[in-house]
Amino acid sequence: GESVGLHLPTLSVQEGDNSIINCAYSNSASDYFIWYKQESGKGPQFIIDIRSNMDKRQGQRVTVLLNKTVKHLSLQIAATQPGDSAVYFCAENSSGGSNYKLTFGKGTLLTVNP
Amino acid sequence: DAGVTQSPTHLIKTRGQQVTLRCSPISGHKSVSWYQQVLGQGPQFIFQYYEKEERGRGNFPDRFSARQFPNYSSELNVNALLLGDSALYLCASSLFAGGPADTQYFGPGTRLTVL
Repeated sequence: GESVGLHLPTLSVQEGDNSIINCAYSNSASDYFIWYKQESGKGPQFIIDIRSNMDKRQGQRVTVLLNKTVKHLSLQIAATQPGDSAVYFCAENSSGGSNYKLTFGKGTLLTVNP
Repeated sequence: DAGVTQSPTHLIKTRGQQVTLRCSPISGHKSVSWYQQVLGQGPQFIFQYYEKEERGRGNFPDRFSARQFPNYSSELNVNALLLGDSALYLCASSLFAGGPADTQYFGPGTRLTVL
């Protein structure tokens, strides 16, 4: 079956450091992956996405890397700030026939220390 | 432009009752998906509606139902509530049926507590 998981449930970094959040997936047919940020009491907020025909995509202070060989996804946050503290989810977009659904992992709690 | 909106924000019900949650998608978006997020877990897919038709259903009992209206807003209904239904219910909208690069944007959620 399909599943998305995270290697590290918690990550604590110092302000200004770079953060790396990892994610493993099992469905080799998945063709689209998304990273969401969820702050306490709020819904998931889109950060960045990547299609399976790419191995790297950059945004503002964030980079997503996709390694299809080992089914691994990572989110890199440069110069991490206190406002980056949140739970980060990777999600796998897969087709169930006539619809697409997101399958989420459990999430990684990122804590940024000032 | 307003994002995805959901109502109510919080809801407290007792076991056996019924509940209706509401969602308005981003203007121009034609698809609404519902997710359940239990504390400490990632969201789990419940339903997707596109152009007022159910396109997909997750592994949830028949007590869960939904519909989409002509203005693309949506309601999620849960009957015969159980304690385990306590969760954050999230609505997400996308332009189309959610294929590659058709990003799903989430609302703030409705926190349901079943006593």
